[in-house]
Amino acid sequence: LAKTTQPISMDSYEGQEVNITCSHNNIATNDYITWYQQFPSQGPRFIIQGYKTKVTNEVASLFIPADRKSSTLSLPRVSLSDTAVYYCLVGDEAAGNKLTFGGGTRVLVKP
Amino acid sequence: NAGVTQTPKFRILKIGQSMTLQCTQDMNHNYMYWYRQDPGMGLKLIYYSVGAGITDKGEVPNGYNVSRSTTEDFPLRLELAAPSQTSVYFCASRPTSGGANEQFFGPGTRLTVL
Repeated sequence: LAKTTQPISMDSYEGQEVNITCSHNNIATNDYITWYQQFPSQGPRFIIQGYKTKVTNEVASLFIPADRKSSTLSLPRVSLSDTAVYYCLVGDEAAGNKLTFGGGTRVLVKP
Repeated sequence: NAGVTQTPKFRILKIGQSMTLQCTQDMNHNYMYWYRQDPGMGLKLIYYSVGAGITDKGEVPNGYNVSRSTTEDFPLRLELAAPSQTSVYFCASRPTSGGANEQFFGPGTRLTVL
């Protein structure tokens, strides 16, 4: 499974855009890039998934360059309730059996 | 749908005791997982199952056992509890196909072994 690297923590302020970049240099051809969000004392929650270019949903956008060796999760106009840990995962349909959650990025949104 | 439910929410065990963590999902998902999360860390996969009657080890299976007799239930058994098993345990499930890596997580069981 491709290893991912992401910043340990990020601080932001309400109303700002938060961008978290994840490196996955060894991503395989069949791998998807998936992001999860985890609030304190809760299980992780799926946010978004993509394979290439840009994916957008009601929560976030995911930008994937052509070489797919990195990806950026973008959270528009964050609020205090977006304070959470964000995990970047890489794997294919079969590897979904053994997804690896790294340490994630701890995002703190300040008033 | 209730989604993924876990019981109990909290439990304190003494060293050497045993217990079963219950996990049930009502989404008819074939794939189910057990993870543990130590304070400030990411999740580590303990066991997973791709369907009733089929289970396999994850990254940290030692000290645990699982069974999968039905699609809905995936209990995790701790034998001879040790302080190193103090953690938060999450159960998750996902459909067989589609949505690739989207797993649905339960609320967790916080276990303390003293």
